[in-house]
Amino acid sequence: GQQLNQSPQSMFIQEGEDVSMNCTSSSIFNTWLWYKQDPGEGPVLLIALYKAGELTSNGRLTAQFGITRKDSFLNISASIPSDVGIYFCAGLWDNTDKLIFGTGTRLQVFP
Amino acid sequence: DTEVTQTPKHLVMGMTNKKSLKCEQHMGHRAMYWYKQKAKKPPELMFVYSYEKLSINESVPSRFSPECPNSSLLNLHLHALQPEDSALYLCASSQVIPPGELFFGEGSRLTVL
Repeated sequence: GQQLNQSPQSMFIQEGEDVSMNCTSSSIFNTWLWYKQDPGEGPVLLIALYKAGELTSNGRLTAQFGITRKDSFLNISASIPSDVGIYFCAGLWDNTDKLIFGTGTRLQVFP
Repeated sequence: DTEVTQTPKHLVMGMTNKKSLKCEQHMGHRAMYWYKQKAKKPPELMFVYSYEKLSINESVPSRFSPECPNSSLLNLHLHALQPEDSALYLCASSQVIPPGELFFGEGSRLTVL
């Protein structure tokens, strides 16, 4: 089946640093969603993207829908300890109703 | 706070037990989903209901039986499960299919002994 590859797999950064992660596929996607998940909790929707080239912000978070429609990027500026968690991208595969999740990026922030 | 509510939060059951997971949303969404998530892995789609009808079944074993009594409720009936079925079960909803935005509940942690 289709697969979304996220990178990096994990990140260890210092508080105040900026973070970048991305999600790539060999297939075209119509929608990209970015989620954050804390241990034992459900994923929380951060940003939704619907058009190629779209750039959307939510506070310190900025995400972009890649021009090729095969990738998406998430940036977090000035990281804080509560940014710790697993970040998942999810894409709506072209011409399907299925939302496919990426492999996840685990973020650790040190004070 | 999530507007998708799941109960119970934790469930421990034996392989011969019958139990159910419940999910409720009051956002007026017409699509509801069950996902299964193993530790350190992404959520995997199990079932999708659209307008209370089963729309997608991702070849899930019959020991998992979904039910959508009305547009706000989604159940997952469990019977004769295996220890490898232990996981976090996530319910989600969206306005319609295909989902523009998908909202998740906090999950039900299932342990099968």
